[in-house]
Amino acid sequence: DPKIIQKPKYLVAVTGSEKILICEQYLGHNAMYWYRQSAKKPLEFMFSYSYQKLMDNQTASSRFQPQSSKKNHLDLQITALKPDDSATYFCASSQDTSQNTLYFGAGTRLSVL
Amino acid sequence: GEQVEQLPSILRVQEGSSASINCTYENSASNYFPWYKQEPGENPKLIIDIRSNMERKQTQGLIVLLDKKAKRFSLHITDTQPGDSAMYFCAASEANSAGNKLTFGIGTRVLVRP
Repeated sequence: DPKIIQKPKYLVAVTGSEKILICEQYLGHNAMYWYRQSAKKPLEFMFSYSYQKLMDNQTASSRFQPQSSKKNHLDLQITALKPDDSATYFCASSQDTSQNTLYFGAGTRLSVL
Repeated sequence: GEQVEQLPSILRVQEGSSASINCTYENSASNYFPWYKQEPGENPKLIIDIRSNMERKQTQGLIVLLDKKAKRFSLHITDTQPGDSAMYFCAASEANSAGNKLTFGIGTRVLVRP
């Protein structure tokens, strides 16, 4: 029974379109994150949120915008999609941001054509 | 920032033998080093971690070593089984990272031959 739910599992989009990746966690955690995993690259940190506040942003492009409507939600809006955005996007959470264990969701595999 | 180098990229071992993966980091402020295992199509799962106040940690057939002077840490899987075949990622986190940012290595594919 997954405690971090990511939707959808697979997503195909056309170049220039906009998509929202959904993430909800039911672990009672206060911190949530987005990571990206592309082919032949390490898992790459994108954002961290704590109590719905942005703590760190390592994403150069403003096309990526996290949205936190509730403490256990951290969606990721991606606008003007490019083929280079194709990757698996993992949502993660931890009790707080003081270096506690990160738990990852199952990921959303995004393909941009 | 931080950069983590991980070697080897592929590791083939015989069932019952041990497997070792090595990682190095650059930022001496890093003080938390987790290891994740990822099976095909699955999410990464934490298998063991070590903090900078320790040099060695062991749990269920896994040993991690940390050499802070050399900025090196390693994972040793003892008595490998086919179920140990997976991708393994090391990571490092900086003590002064406000957002608990983990910097990952590129991963090691471990293949255990029966």
